[in-house]
Amino acid sequence: DAGITQSPRYKITETGRQVTLMCHQTWSHSYMFWYRQDLGHGLRLIYYSAAADITDKGEVPDGYVVSRSKTENFPLTLESATRSQTSVYFCASSELLAGAGEQYFGPGTRLTVT
Amino acid sequence: GENVEQHPSTLSVQEGDSAVIKCTYSDSASNYFPWYKQELGKRPQLIIDIRSNVGEKKDQRIAVTLNKTAKHFSLHITETQPEDSAVYFCAATAGNTPLVFGKGTRLSVIA
Repeated sequence: DAGITQSPRYKITETGRQVTLMCHQTWSHSYMFWYRQDLGHGLRLIYYSAAADITDKGEVPDGYVVSRSKTENFPLTLESATRSQTSVYFCASSELLAGAGEQYFGPGTRLTVT
Repeated sequence: GENVEQHPSTLSVQEGDSAVIKCTYSDSASNYFPWYKQELGKRPQLIIDIRSNVGEKKDQRIAVTLNKTAKHFSLHITETQPEDSAVYFCAATAGNTPLVFGKGTRLSVIA
């Protein structure tokens, strides 16, 4: 589990501010994912990445930007935070996209937008 | 795209009883169905998975069954213990797209 970390673990920000959530994995997994978890909605995919410089939209990408210049890092940026983006954000990584093994989740970042 | 429905959203059982959580999926091409457990304040972790060429899989007190014809799969926990209390998520994928998760079931095991 120590192989995937997120920072910060808790963040309070104001509406309209830019916020970047960091994710770092040490396994050299090809795939990385960002989810948000909200009560009643489960885990919803925001963006994912198959490799450095390859990213793709998930179910709820609006208002978010990602980049992946290095295999081990996958930051998520809220360019202008809104109250609806208050959530718990989980980063995950896996060797394959799906179907052949576990996705390993980070510890999560609890973001509050006031 | 794939859509996964999960029921019930909450489930309470007495310690020692069995618990069953059911999921249905929409994409007949889906062939991999994992279950994740998330304890309070923790990250989701894989507890069991099943592929479409298998009808049932067991691991100690947990088992998963798959009915491809009806497009549903279920998680069975026997002899429940307080440490089984958590949120459980099912998911599905055809392998060429990311996992699609159900909305989760909050299981409470009452001692």
